Amino acid sequence: SQQGEEDPQALSIQEGENATMNCSYKTSINNLQWYRQNSGRGLVHLILIRSNEREKHSGRLRVTLDTSKKSSSLLITASRAADTASYFCATDESAAGNKLTFGGGTRVLVKP
Amino acid sequence: NAGVMQNPRHLVRRRGQEARLRCSPMKGHSHVYWYRQLPEEGLKFMVYLQKENIIDESGMPKERFSAEFPKEGPSILRIQQVVRGDSAAYFCASSPAAGTEAFFGQGTRLTVV
Repeated sequence: SQQGEEDPQALSIQEGENATMNCSYKTSINNLQWYRQNSGRGLVHLILIRSNEREKHSGRLRVTLDTSKKSSSLLITASRAADTASYFCATDESAAGNKLTFGGGTRVLVKP
Repeated sequence: NAGVMQNPRHLVRRRGQEARLRCSPMKGHSHVYWYRQLPEEGLKFMVYLQKENIIDESGMPKERFSAEFPKEGPSILRIQQVVRGDSAAYFCASSPAAGTEAFFGQGTRLTVV
């Protein structure tokens, strides 16, 4: 699999349910970032978690990072129809800075 | 504080023409990154620039593609003699320093006909 590979590729849930998606990577990283992209739009930055951090929260979002397993998860609690989007994880493993490596994304559909 | 501004939003070019994509970073950001996204795929890194310097261009095709970030003005991604395979969304991002949050523009969707 590629660096920053998301799982599942697609997720369909009912409004109010939680959505969990995972990201696996292969090399050592400086940080891992999660982004949201609505269809045909730009990327919105959600959370950055550094390699020495294990968990971060932002509103209804919870991100975990397990560097021993080289994996991260994004949990969206109490999902809303407006959460329908593609979610990408991106790893920064470069010495120079923000050379982000993106996965293929998880397409989340939240049904009202 | 305006976000990262890219223009044009949509660009149509005939094969063999040149495409020039512009990116104005957020105020106070001196680090600019260009990414390309093919339909239904994630973004692929192309180039990382600081003012007047190319720091990492490992994702740039060897021919026809160039990027600059002059002391004054926006960053420019230039594609010469475009081919159909260049059709994609090109995103620019900026950050205030290396290893910090990158903020993305809305992208330029290039269509080569």
